[in-house]
Amino acid sequence: GQNIDQPTEMTATEGAIVQINCTYQTSGFNGLFWYQQHAGEAPTFLSYNVLDGLEEKGRFSSFLSRSKGYSYLLLKELQMKDSASYLCAALDSNYQLIWGAGTKLIIKP
Amino acid sequence: DTAVSQTPKYLVTQMGNDKSIKCEQNLGHDTMYWYKQDSKKFLKIMFSYNNKELIINETVPNRFSPKSPDKAHLNLHINSLELGDSAVYFCASSQDSSGSGANVLTFGAGSRLTVL
Repeated sequence: GQNIDQPTEMTATEGAIVQINCTYQTSGFNGLFWYQQHAGEAPTFLSYNVLDGLEEKGRFSSFLSRSKGYSYLLLKELQMKDSASYLCAALDSNYQLIWGAGTKLIIKP
Repeated sequence: DTAVSQTPKYLVTQMGNDKSIKCEQNLGHDTMYWYKQDSKKFLKIMFSYNNKELIINETVPNRFSPKSPDKAHLNLHINSLELGDSAVYFCASSQDSSGSGANVLTFGAGSRLTVL
């Protein structure tokens, strides 16, 4: 079966760095997405990786290892507004998105 | 201008009723989707339409019927509502359905359905 695993909840301190991991098992693979979802709001697109390596976008970076079925989202210089759920989603061979349940990130002052 | 707008935002109704949720996108995207997000926060695809044609129809009860009058609109009608239908329903759109980075989803704000 197809599966996405990510931690349910993480806590970090304002100004610090946090890494949210995601492992995936899919029938074929056409890339991995990260979305941010604030409580009561819609998910918004953060990043897309299809090749191995690190993609950096400001304070957020996303990493992919296709051979390991593994990705992480790295958030630097954490701000209170980064408190949200972070959803990992893999695109399978039929170009269907398989979603994880999300990691709720709590930022403490 | 809201890119993907869905109405209503909140819907409270009794079991057995029929209700509809409307969705419109002004992004010129070819593909639209309906997702259900339950209390455990899993996003589950329900339907996907590409240029008014149904391309994904996951295993959902046939009480759920999508309708796409044109590629900018995808409405969801639900008959004989049940308690388990309570969830947040998200409409989304993407440039196309062929995958790759072009398959970035833009979501509507969600419609919270509560069935009593």
